[in-house]
Amino acid sequence: GQSLEQPSEVTAVEGAIVQINCTYQTSGFYGLSWYQQHDGGAPTFLSYNALDGLEETGRFSSFLSRSDSYGYLLLQELQMKDSASYFCAVRVIILTGGGNKLTFGTGTQLKVEL
Amino acid sequence: DAMVIQNPRYQVTQFGKPVTLSCSQTLNHNVMYWYQQKSSQAPKLLFHYYDKDFNNEADTPDNFQSRRPNTSFCFLDIRSPGLGDAAMYLCATSRENRAKNIQYFGAGTRLSVL
Repeated sequence: GQSLEQPSEVTAVEGAIVQINCTYQTSGFYGLSWYQQHDGGAPTFLSYNALDGLEETGRFSSFLSRSDSYGYLLLQELQMKDSASYFCAVRVIILTGGGNKLTFGTGTQLKVEL
Repeated sequence: DAMVIQNPRYQVTQFGKPVTLSCSQTLNHNVMYWYQQKSSQAPKLLFHYYDKDFNNEADTPDNFQSRRPNTSFCFLDIRSPGLGDAAMYLCATSRENRAKNIQYFGAGTRLSVL
């Protein structure tokens, strides 16, 4: 099976930088994704790492270390609208039936304060 | 403009009364997923369709069934809803073989069981 761990809650001020960590244990690892979900809303894709290193997309960056089974999401220049839940998700290969699927972490609730 | 559409947004059913949730997509993606998400928890994959092939998660109760009559539509049937099945049900789609396997989520159906 798969297991992922994230901090349950992070609080930061507007304009700051925050890092949300994710550690995982899984077999058939293919990559690590990050999704954002506002209260009552649908998860939306933020970033994906298949290889070690940093991926940058605007104010958001994501990092992966496959040898450490660890990744993080970095949010810069925080804005109030960034207050949401952030989920890491491992992409794993499906051995029977083909294709792949995501298993989501426990989620981190980010609160951005003035 | 909506790409993954779930109906209804809110569904109330009675204990033991069958209920069907629907999902349609305009993205022409070959993979469709159903997730269950309870309050403050991660989305939990119930099953998915890879084209016409159905892939059930090992821990999905038999009470949950799914149908995919064509590429655009997918249904979640709950045969005898219990109080524990009250949750948000999320449909998602992806195009297999894309590098990032981005999943696009619908707005969800919030199910209440009385």
